[in-house]
Amino acid sequence: DTGVSQDPRHKITKRGQNVTFRCDPISEHNRLYWYRQTLGQGPEFLTYFQNEAQLEKSRLLSDRFSAERPKGSFSTLEIQRTEQGDSAMYLCASRALQGWDEQYFGPGTRLTVT
Amino acid sequence: DAKTTQPTSMDCAEGRAANLPCNHSTISGNEYVYWYRQIHSQGPQYIIHGLKNNETNEMASLIITEDRKSSTLILPHATLRDTAVYYCIVRVQVAQKLVFGQGTRLTINP
Repeated sequence: DTGVSQDPRHKITKRGQNVTFRCDPISEHNRLYWYRQTLGQGPEFLTYFQNEAQLEKSRLLSDRFSAERPKGSFSTLEIQRTEQGDSAMYLCASRALQGWDEQYFGPGTRLTVT
Repeated sequence: DAKTTQPTSMDCAEGRAANLPCNHSTISGNEYVYWYRQIHSQGPQYIIHGLKNNETNEMASLIITEDRKSSTLILPHATLRDTAVYYCIVRVQVAQKLVFGQGTRLTINP
């Protein structure tokens, strides 16, 4: 499968715990995006990378959230001291730097904070 | 990015054409209209986009009015697998993020 993959697909954690999600983009896609989607709403942009550089962050990305893409390939999104309001689907997308600007989305990681 | 307005939900019979409208009355001259859909428990999937001309691909057709203030996504022969939430997004191509609204929940009925 050459699509965007995300791991884990589901995560249940207790309030106050830290969680980390991983996204593997399509090979050779320079740009990588993170979105968050709560129930009944459309996805909301969190941040994006071009190669290893994080170029834009949403105000939704509080100081408890951190995203990295250290080698310009896979990316991680960490949430520290999780709160119940963090419960959501976290989606990753990637696209090539040149040419077609379609974003390809992964299946998402569903986080439940109890 | 311009705001878009879509109906909350629509129904369509299997095999018929599904026509999904989108209003974007404040669209700027350099903003494109994009359509994505999201099938239950999956990430969004790109469908089609256009600037001012009508566009067609293997999935759908996009009809943009001459004043560009509205558009219609057409699924010519809807199947049960087309049941999804459809999002109309307006943005300039250089913008990175996609700004999703609540979309239209399309249900295809057998």
